[in-house]
Amino acid sequence: AQTVTQSQPEMSVQEAETVTLSCTYDTSESDYYLFWYKQPPSRQMILVIRQEAYKQQNATENRFSVNFQKAAKSFSLKISDSQLGDAAMYFCAYRSGAYSGGGADGLTFGKGTHLIIQP
Amino acid sequence: DTGVSQDPRHKITKRGQNVTFRCDPISEHNRLYWYRQTLGQGPEFLTYFQNEAQLEKSRLLSDRFSAERPKGSFSTLEIQRTEQGDSAMYLCASPGRRGTDTQYFGPGTRLTVL
Repeated sequence: AQTVTQSQPEMSVQEAETVTLSCTYDTSESDYYLFWYKQPPSRQMILVIRQEAYKQQNATENRFSVNFQKAAKSFSLKISDSQLGDAAMYFCAYRSGAYSGGGADGLTFGKGTHLIIQP
Repeated sequence: DTGVSQDPRHKITKRGQNVTFRCDPISEHNRLYWYRQTLGQGPEFLTYFQNEAQLEKSRLLSDRFSAERPKGSFSTLEIQRTEQGDSAMYLCASPGRRGTDTQYFGPGTRLTVL
């Protein structure tokens, strides 16, 4: 079974600064997807960014980018120019790819990192 | 707004009662997922459907939990004989425009069992 670990329960950053949230995962599969989701205090889960394991290029979405290290099974999220609206819980998630076979089609989540933005 | 809707948004019930939640996924997608999220934790996958077929049931937490998707559109999650430990947020998700690989979540139903 796959596991996802987020070792930082809480992170704090000054507005306009850059912060990196860490995520590691354990899998024996070669085909999979990784995601970062944001859950603001209103609690609706919002997709931030996704990465296909077969792509070497790190995904980027505006101020959000990832550092995907497949051999190290690491998937960190970098938020540049932090804004007050970035304050939320951030969850890293894993999903098996189509060719991995077996198992559930659901996402496996980490426990989350609470990101605080200091004005 | 992800296009996934859930009803009700909040439910308060007494221990031992049955509750049912509804999810309406993004239209034109045949997959639908249910998750449970307890306080301070990430969501936990429960079950999923492809059209009317429930393709994964083993993650349902007990035989008190059941889910249906009778016409391949909306889905319901029922919890029978609720217990205080069932208090949680129940989330529904479906794929979106990016294809089946990415799941988009609804606002959730917060269940409180007294």
